[in-house]
Amino acid sequence: GEDVEQSLFLSVREGDSSVINCTYTDSSSTYLYWYKQEPGAGLQLLTYIFSNMDMKQDQRLTVLLNKKDKHLSLRIADTQTGDSAIYFCAETDQGGKLIFGQGTELSVKP
Amino acid sequence: DTAVSQTPKYLVTQMGNDKSIKCEQNLGHDTMYWYKQDSKKFLKIMFSYNNKELIINETVPNRFSPKSPDKAHLNLHINSLELGDSAVYFCASSQLAKQGTNEKLFFGSGTQLSVL
Repeated sequence: GEDVEQSLFLSVREGDSSVINCTYTDSSSTYLYWYKQEPGAGLQLLTYIFSNMDMKQDQRLTVLLNKKDKHLSLRIADTQTGDSAIYFCAETDQGGKLIFGQGTELSVKP
Repeated sequence: DTAVSQTPKYLVTQMGNDKSIKCEQNLGHDTMYWYKQDSKKFLKIMFSYNNKELIINETVPNRFSPKSPDKAHLNLHINSLELGDSAVYFCASSQLAKQGTNEKLFFGSGTQLSVL
């Protein structure tokens, strides 16, 4: 079945870049997504990439997609303490249903 | 105005009780969902409704019964609560989901259910 995997934790210092990685299995996913969950809140869509793109940049966020290796990454430049959250990678299965990874908890130390 | 609102935010109850969680969205979306997030933060879809009709029903015990009185509301009723039901339950909504379209979900802030 479809599977999305991420590492569970990442710790960085304020001002550094953060890179969160994800691997997925369903190559039919037209879009791939990054959602952010702050403590005590629901998930919010952070950014997404169309599957025929290699890269998408949105201010401090850069999404890289390697479709051959089924690898997605999210780079956050100049990471701030407000970026501390759980980041979920997601793909859609053949029925259009979102499949989430288990989330990467990003901790930003001052 | 909150786009997707769910109540209550916290729910503490005894095993065996019956409880409901309500969800409303004011985005005009056709599709609504219930997700369960366990203690390890793993997020799994439970149900999806499109315009009041059930379209996704994952392997969920039949003690869980969703009800959609109209397309802006999707409530979740749970009978005979068990310890393992303790989790955070998220409601979400999106435009009509078609394969290959951009599935942007809007989530509520969650209901933390604790079964004692």
